[in-house]
Amino acid sequence: AQSVTQLGSHVSVSEGALVLLRCNYSSSVPPYLFWYVQYPNQGLQLLLKYTTGATLVKGINGFEAEFKKSETSFHLTKPSAHMSDAAEYFCAVSDRQNNDMRFGAGTRLTVKP
Amino acid sequence: GAVVSQHPSRVICKSGTSVKIECRSLDFQATTMFWYRQFPKQSLMLMATSNEGSKATYEQGVEKDKFLINHASLTLSTLTVTSAHPEDSSFYICSARGAFFGQGTRLTVV
Repeated sequence: AQSVTQLGSHVSVSEGALVLLRCNYSSSVPPYLFWYVQYPNQGLQLLLKYTTGATLVKGINGFEAEFKKSETSFHLTKPSAHMSDAAEYFCAVSDRQNNDMRFGAGTRLTVKP
Repeated sequence: GAVVSQHPSRVICKSGTSVKIECRSLDFQATTMFWYRQFPKQSLMLMATSNEGSKATYEQGVEKDKFLINHASLTLSTLTVTSAHPEDSSFYICSARGAFFGQGTRLTVV
């Protein structure tokens, strides 16, 4: 069974500061890993995903994440936070066969002016 | 990327009535779709896996008679919340191909 743990239910940064949202996964098979963003009362928007190949994955809106197998981590980063980045972020894992996705509890990102 | 359309985006219904939510894959065929539920300020929880032409697979604790899933074609899966009650009020989201999600449906039962 797969699972995801997001450390920190709430992260607050200043505008222009580094964003780091942590995600650790557990999977008995090589995982697919995802980061999604959710704005209030909206669906999920895919930021980026790791399937195979390069472990540093670049996504939309300047976000990137690095798959570290040795640490079972897939942390999301952005060099400089923007006010529009304030939202809920979900890390998710799926197995390669079934595609059903398991989500972390989410991290609410607040960006202070 | 693949597009998944979910309808309606918002619905208010009276307690005891049934509500149907549609999930369509617009530019691809999906033999499998997934239904999630999200309570306020919480994460998404997988409810069931919808399989085209066969019965859905429900997660533990999800009442299959309450949440009826039909996957009649390769582009459409429906979730019907039967005899809805206020505790069923939630945000329901479908997905296909694992990573592509519909816009979600906010269900409010009054």
